[in-house]
Amino acid sequence: DVKVTQSSRYLVKRTGEKVFLECVQDMDHENMFWYRQDPGLGLRLIYFSYDVKMKEKGDIPEGYSVSREKKERFSLILESASTNQTSMYLCAIQTGRVEETQYFGPGTRLLVL
Amino acid sequence: EDQVTQSPEALRLQEGESSSLNCSYTVSGLRGLFWYRQDPGKGPEFLFTLYSAGEEKEKERLKATLTKKESFLHITAPKPEDSATYLCAVQASGTYKYIFGTGTRLKVLA
Repeated sequence: DVKVTQSSRYLVKRTGEKVFLECVQDMDHENMFWYRQDPGLGLRLIYFSYDVKMKEKGDIPEGYSVSREKKERFSLILESASTNQTSMYLCAIQTGRVEETQYFGPGTRLLVL
Repeated sequence: EDQVTQSPEALRLQEGESSSLNCSYTVSGLRGLFWYRQDPGKGPEFLFTLYSAGEEKEKERLKATLTKKESFLHITAPKPEDSATYLCAVQASGTYKYIFGTGTRLKVLA
């Protein structure tokens, strides 16, 4: 079974705080993704990584950065959290083959006050 | 522009009342179309991948079909535990990127 874990299910942060969301997989998959999900907007890709230290911007990278120092971990960083970053954050993994399916973690619901 | 539209936005069914959810798409070269189920507050759970027009996949009460412009998720004799949001996504050839629809919220009443 594919197993993707995210560091927190719920987070409450203050505006201006630096926020770290971590995603861990145990499948040795090359590709890892960060999405945010908002009502009426669906899932939108923030960043993805296709290998250690490699990353590409998705559709909405502004206000976010990522880090992948080890293959199994992919971190999403909000440098200075803002209220418009309140959302559900989802991590997904995929093997290195483009035809493979993406599998999702349980999500982190972030509230920025 | 690659795009996915799902309809209806919400659907209420009586237990046992079969129906279909629609996913219309435009994509420059379809590599795959994906259906996911998402329960409230949880991550999407993979259901099916369809690759080419005419293909069908089944799992329990669910059956997914694909044409060149749309996909249907048919739900036969649904039960209350089928209540969830169903998401559709497409992937264009040569890219890892998925384009998601906004989902159909299904509620099955006992």
